[in-house]
Amino acid sequence: EAGVTQSPTHLIKTRGQQATLRCSPISGHTSVYWYQQALGLGLQFLLWYDEGEERNRGNFPPRFSGRQFPNYSSELNVNALELEDSALYLCASSLALRQTPNSNQPQHFGDGTRLSIL
Amino acid sequence: RKEVEQDPGPFNVPEGATVAFNCTYSNSASQSFFWYRQDCRKEPKLLMSVYSSGNEDGRFTAQLNRASQYISLLIRDSKLSDSATYLCVVNLRSGGYNKLIFGAGTRLAVHP
Repeated sequence: EAGVTQSPTHLIKTRGQQATLRCSPISGHTSVYWYQQALGLGLQFLLWYDEGEERNRGNFPPRFSGRQFPNYSSELNVNALELEDSALYLCASSLALRQTPNSNQPQHFGDGTRLSIL
Repeated sequence: RKEVEQDPGPFNVPEGATVAFNCTYSNSASQSFFWYRQDCRKEPKLLMSVYSSGNEDGRFTAQLNRASQYISLLIRDSKLSDSATYLCVVNLRSGGYNKLIFGAGTRLAVHP
C-alpha cells in the first residue's frame, strides 16, 4: 500500500514569491493535515481538511492557505514568502472524521517538502 | 504555558540502558495520546498509542495518568537504532473536531 506522498521534495524560492506544495493521502484516507516544522522547533499545526472541507486551522497568517480536491489530495499555498517560512512542511492523512468519531485514529505522515527561502 | 511539554534532552545513554521520557499536557479535555518517533530530517512515524490502562509493545511501555495530565514512555534494553526524537502527541477534541498537538520532542542518543 502506498503511503502519503508529497511533492516536491525540495523547493527553493525567494522572498515575496508564492509556493505550492502537494500531498496525496493513503488510499481510503479522506482527512489531510498540514504541519510546519521549522529548524529546531516542534511540529506546528497548519490546516486540516476532512472530506473536502476545511475543519480547522492553526495560528498562521492568511497567506497560508490550501484546498482539498475531490480525490482527497491536497495543496498548501504560501503567498508572499518570508525568510521565516523556511521549514519542512509535512502532510499527514487519516480516515475521515465520521469514520473515527472517537478520535483515536493516528495520522500517517509523508516525507515532507523542504522549503527554503533565499 | 505550552499545551504539550517535553524535556528536550538530549538523553545520552549506553546500549542496554532503560530510559524514560515524560510529557505533560495542559488541557484536561484531551482525549487520546500517542508517541511518535522522528529520525533526523525525516517525517514522524507513529510509535504507539497510549491507553489509560498503560500498554506495552516489545521494549516500549507507555503510561497515561489523566489525573496528573502526564504521559510517559519507557524504553528498555536501548539499541543504537533507538536514537531519534520522540514526540508526545495529544489529540484534543474541540467543537466536534480533532486537533493534534505535538510536543517539541525529546532527543535520545544511544551510544555503544
